[in-house]
Amino acid sequence: QSALTQPASVSGSPGQSITISCTGTSSDIAYYNYVSWYQHHPGKAPKLMIYGVTNRPSGVSNRFSGSKSGNTASLTISGLQAEDEADYYCTSFTTSLTYVFGTGTKVTVL
Amino acid sequence: QVQLVQSGAEVKKPGASVKVSCKASGYTFTNYHMHWVRQAPGQGLEWMGIIKSSGGTTIYAQKFQGRVTMTRDTATSTAYMELSNLRSEDTAVYYCGREYPDDYRPGDYWGQGTLVTVSS
Repeated sequence: QSALTQPASVSGSPGQSITISCTGTSSDIAYYNYVSWYQHHPGKAPKLMIYGVTNRPSGVSNRFSGSKSGNTASLTISGLQAEDEADYYCTSFTTSLTYVFGTGTKVTVL
Repeated sequence: QVQLVQSGAEVKKPGASVKVSCKASGYTFTNYHMHWVRQAPGQGLEWMGIIKSSGGTTIYAQKFQGRVTMTRDTATSTAYMELSNLRSEDTAVYYCGREYPDDYRPGDYWGQGTLVTVSS
């Protein structure tokens, strides 16, 4: 199972919106609505930001939103803030009953 | 409150095995699956496998099949991940994370991570 494809980096100015893409295949993202997104600061525990493509866990800012079209999922961060600077990973359930992570995207707030 | 507390850092020689523990508290351990994920230096997150709530069934990523064993002790609410035949590429931070069955919300809580260093 190959990793899902994400852009290596995305940047934006405070207050702007950015979108991170996550491209998979017909065996994962396209097949299931089980895409999650994590915010990760290396050396710290990942934080679940989005699950089930569009759902936010309790306590996660509504500036974070998710969507999916075909085999590509997306995470949008609106009103970008300095605290959003981190690595972001998507993950999807697969037809092999396993999970696969994306390659990761470093978000920089300019 | 929910807590997943992992065992401390390990240094191992190539060819050895390592067993990382993840002690759960604040919830009913047997009601949740447990995932194991790792991050090597400069690399992304990598899913290793899952031990399920019902009967402790395991599913491993193909990459680790034959080298990884995930177990649990329901009496102490502790999950374990053992990786054998270690090589330098296994140097990484290993994380455990729980998931409620059929929720497909992996890792609503995570352990703090365990650094495993493989070096001769």
